[in-house]
Amino acid sequence: ETGVTQTPRHLVMGMTNKKSLKCEQHLGHNAMYWYKQSAKKPLELMFVYSLEERVENNSVPSRFSPECPNSSHLFLHLHTLQPEDSALYLCASSQDAGAGQPQHFGDGTRLSIL
Amino acid sequence: ILNVEQSPQSLHVQEGDSTNFTCSFPSSNFYALHWYRWETAKSPEALFVMTLNGDEKKKGRISATLNTKEGYSYLYIKGSQPEDSATYLCAFQPLSGTYKYIFGTGTRLKVLA
Repeated sequence: ETGVTQTPRHLVMGMTNKKSLKCEQHLGHNAMYWYKQSAKKPLELMFVYSLEERVENNSVPSRFSPECPNSSHLFLHLHTLQPEDSALYLCASSQDAGAGQPQHFGDGTRLSIL
Repeated sequence: ILNVEQSPQSLHVQEGDSTNFTCSFPSSNFYALHWYRWETAKSPEALFVMTLNGDEKKKGRISATLNTKEGYSYLYIKGSQPEDSATYLCAFQPLSGTYKYIFGTGTRLKVLA
């Protein structure tokens, strides 16, 4: 079983839809992250959770709403997205947050907004 | 604004060649520097985490060095193989915000057989 699993792998949605991205880690890590990868741009950190508490919100619009019900699961709820939100969304985990430890990434969700 | 630059953007080498690329980051406010390898259709894979000036780390044919005083890290690949083809990313972690990971745009390496 892979360490960090993301579902769905691909998602196409209209601007008025509501959908959620799911991430699950089986590594016993305490920190989880959401990243956005747009074409020809660097990976952009969106949110950081440490022990289910949000510790970083990188000026992300409110149409993206994260949820971390426990240290193994992370969701990204999407609502009224814009075409420029089309991107690859990656989830990652690390043993602890902010401790200079490597991150383990999932395969990502490729999101397309119509 | 914290900026991380990687060069070159892309690189083609012949199998067996050795190669290296650069990650530049702010020399002040340093906490850690991370290297990742990202193969197409896979997830980024951690290579190294470097924290001390002068650090040198090695994993098989890949090694990395760190100079925090001047703000750069080099990644070296010795005897490149086709399976080394990937995008190599570096990420800077600042001392003033260790929850932040600031990535460069990566160096895309293609090793020709």
